[in-house]
Amino acid sequence: DTEVTQTPKHLVMGMTNKKSLKCEQHMGHRAMYWYKQKAKKPPELMFVYSYEKLSINESVPSRFSPECPNSSLLNLHLHALQPEDSALYLCASSRTGVVTPASPLHFGNGTRLTVT
Amino acid sequence: AQKVTQAQTEISVVEKEDVTLDCVYETRDTTYYLFWYKQPPSGELVFLIRRNSFDEQNEISGRYSWNFQKSTSSFNFTITASQVVDSAVYFCALSEADTGNQFYFGTGTSLTVIP
Repeated sequence: DTEVTQTPKHLVMGMTNKKSLKCEQHMGHRAMYWYKQKAKKPPELMFVYSYEKLSINESVPSRFSPECPNSSLLNLHLHALQPEDSALYLCASSRTGVVTPASPLHFGNGTRLTVT
Repeated sequence: AQKVTQAQTEISVVEKEDVTLDCVYETRDTTYYLFWYKQPPSGELVFLIRRNSFDEQNEISGRYSWNFQKSTSSFNFTITASQVVDSAVYFCALSEADTGNQFYFGTGTSLTVIP
């Protein structure tokens, strides 16, 4: 079982809807990440929170809004999405803010998002 | 430029065969880290193995082994006596010490183990 929990597992939303993806980890990790993965492609980094502060935003459109309420939780708020935003959204965490063999990325199962 | 290259897009093997997945990386950092992840159809990326740039010792862990060669910038991964449950997409990844939050994934190799 993964130690990074993502909800929901599946989400279908219309282009005018507002929804949120949730991620939770209780490993005491201090960095959390959002990745987007299209079919047959590697994950693409969207956001990084390090010690609860946004440290990386990979030029993600404003219709995606991350939030890190505390060190264990990470949300991704969605609004006015487009059909091309349909993808698998993966959350990950690492022990520190630097990915090393001692602090590898641990991924959740992902949320499969479909925008209609 | 692609920092991590996995030239094999898809591989099919018959159960119990050995299979090697190739990975070539590119970096100017002297300190970097290499990883292999497995992604089954369920979607979760499962961490398999890791190596830092100062440790070229090749190891075996159960049915998994890896061959890290700095001279050729390669970090190949071998599954011995493959099983159907090994069917998944495998990603090689690189993290550089200077940009520790960046995790460069290869394009992935889809492995199908035929019973």
